[in-house]
Amino acid sequence: SQQGEEDPQALSIQEGENATMNCSYKTSINNLQWYRQNSGRGLVHLILIRSNEREKHSGRLRVTLDTSKKSSSLLITASRAADTASYFCATDTGGYQKVTFGTGTKLQVIP
Amino acid sequence: EAGVTQFPSHSVIEKGQTVTLRCDPISGHDNLYWYRRVMGKEIKFLLHFVKESKQDESGMPNNRFLAERTGGTYSTLKVQPAELEDSGVYFCASSQFTGGREQFFGPGTRLTVL
Repeated sequence: SQQGEEDPQALSIQEGENATMNCSYKTSINNLQWYRQNSGRGLVHLILIRSNEREKHSGRLRVTLDTSKKSSSLLITASRAADTASYFCATDTGGYQKVTFGTGTKLQVIP
Repeated sequence: EAGVTQFPSHSVIEKGQTVTLRCDPISGHDNLYWYRRVMGKEIKFLLHFVKESKQDESGMPNNRFLAERTGGTYSTLKVQPAELEDSGVYFCASSQFTGGREQFFGPGTRLTVL
């Protein structure tokens, strides 16, 4: 079974709108990260939030983490066409434990 | 500073053939990871090197896959013989720290097995 599952699987919005993606996971984690993958490109690290943090900001990105609900959300404000990509959450349990990815949310921002 | 590079970017082979993928991590990164994304499914962990040693290879699908990292620099992932279900995108990542700290990913190698 998957550790991380993103919701929704696909999201289409108009440029300028906000996009919210959710991630749920099953086991206790050490860190949770969000990555972006543009079509045909590699994964780009967006933001890391530790298990003892509740919210983190980076530019137009806002990530929240609720360890009691085992969920995280990624908010992209004032979306741009260039934000069109697949977004993945990834969790780890610390130490040498591998990072586990979810299935991703495909975001389309329409100009 | 150069990022993680992977070669080739795309490989098309026939079932039963052998393919070798290469990953060059960021210089100085002891940790090197291989992941695979098959048919739009989740990105799955394959294995983790710390320098030249395999720290965790629990994600390797079967013994048709062989990963090496001689000298603790670049790594190769060989698939022999390739099967149809091996098609997908193979990502390599490196990190300076272990335990899930930011991993820097390469562009991936898209493998198509016909």
